[in-house]
Amino acid sequence: DAGVTQSPTHLIKTRGQQVTLRCSPKSGHDTVSWYQQALGQGPQFIFQYYEEEERQRGNFPDRFSGHQFPNYSSELNVNALLLGDSALYLCASTISGRYEQYFGPGTRLTVT
Amino acid sequence: GENVEQHPSTLSVQEGDSAVIKCTYSDSASNYFPWYKQELGKRPQLIIDIRSNVGEKKDQRIAVTLNKTAKHFSLHITETQPEDSAVYFCAATRNTGFQKLVFGTGTRLLVSP
Repeated sequence: DAGVTQSPTHLIKTRGQQVTLRCSPKSGHDTVSWYQQALGQGPQFIFQYYEEEERQRGNFPDRFSGHQFPNYSSELNVNALLLGDSALYLCASTISGRYEQYFGPGTRLTVT
Repeated sequence: GENVEQHPSTLSVQEGDSAVIKCTYSDSASNYFPWYKQELGKRPQLIIDIRSNVGEKKDQRIAVTLNKTAKHFSLHITETQPEDSAVYFCAATRNTGFQKLVFGTGTRLLVSP
């Protein structure tokens, strides 16, 4: 049973560029959440997708957007990258109505 | 909004000792409290969780206690081993399904042989 997978593992971008990160949920899971984890900090909730719609959003600007596909996989897009966007981006999946969330290995984004 | 405070930020123990990490939450409607272990460069791993309808839950060497009145919960690790060394995060959330996890700032646990 495959767990949550994310790609790419690492990414280096320049300020002002755009980036797309990808997540495949754990088998049988239909809900995907994205979190940003700055160095030495706990993960911060960005948004959650269910049935291809954004259901909840954290305190992140509109530069952060996402998408969920019919197969429940998800993308996180960040436009106009800032140096402060450098972080580990984590995807977590769950089954709607359940509590437990399981995380992927993350994508380390570095903005120079 | 919900806020979760976690203490201590670092904890050093000798192998075989017990370790306790404490968290306090602000939203009295929170009803689910997971604990994650994150080793260096790895994903956060769910190690134990507790729901608001119970006061304690144990799984081998780890246990979690919840005091809803005081709005705090704790992780207890007994007979610590070097492989327990990692960063531990507590989190809290309300509702089922579309919940967002609010995390504490993490505790770096170092278990020395």
